[in-house]
Amino acid sequence: KQEVTQIPAALSVPEGENLVLNCSFTDSAIYNLQWFRQDPGKGLTSLLLIQSSQREQTSGRLNASLDKSSGRSTLYIAASQPGDSATYLCAVSTGGTSYGKLTFGQGTILTVHP
Amino acid sequence: DGGITQSPKYLFRKEGQNVTLSCEQNLNHDAMYWYRQDPGQGLRLIYYSQIVNDFQKGDIAEGYSVSREKKESFPLTVTSAQKNPTAFYLCASSAAGGGEQFFGPGTRLTVL
Repeated sequence: KQEVTQIPAALSVPEGENLVLNCSFTDSAIYNLQWFRQDPGKGLTSLLLIQSSQREQTSGRLNASLDKSSGRSTLYIAASQPGDSATYLCAVSTGGTSYGKLTFGQGTILTVHP
Repeated sequence: DGGITQSPKYLFRKEGQNVTLSCEQNLNHDAMYWYRQDPGQGLRLIYYSQIVNDFQKGDIAEGYSVSREKKESFPLTVTSAQKNPTAFYLCASSAAGGGEQFFGPGTRLTVL
């Protein structure tokens, strides 16, 4: 059974700091990995999708890496801003194109203070 | 604007009642999903559908039912058999199974 763990559970940083969020998964036979952002009481916003054949993806100040063999992914946020404060969720998809089930981690609650 | 809509935003249910949560997408996606989110437990998959008129149980399907009669719609019914239905319910869709998933704004269900 796939299990996804995110560390740390919570993180508080001053504005402008670069930071790294960690995600690990137990079964390396994944199809892809997604990073999401969730604001309180809202739905999930997809940030980055990394296919199993890729090593990293970048979008603006965000960079996500994937090391499938070791079962790890990191989300790097550069020059953090108060607007980045949210819960960040990592999820992995297994089973190929005919399946699509996402297994989620518990999330990292990020607070960026001015 | 393309996207996923869920209604209602808030829903209150009395003991013994069935309630139906709506999920509609205009992204022309084949696959749709229902997740439940509880504090401290993350998101868990209830049901998913890869194509019209077909759906499969997820990890926590007991007490729930779904239908997929149209590509755009994937309603979730929370039946009286679901003993602890108070939660935040999220609907998602993807172009195909295994593709990037996009989420709706959610429905918060509370049992009175």
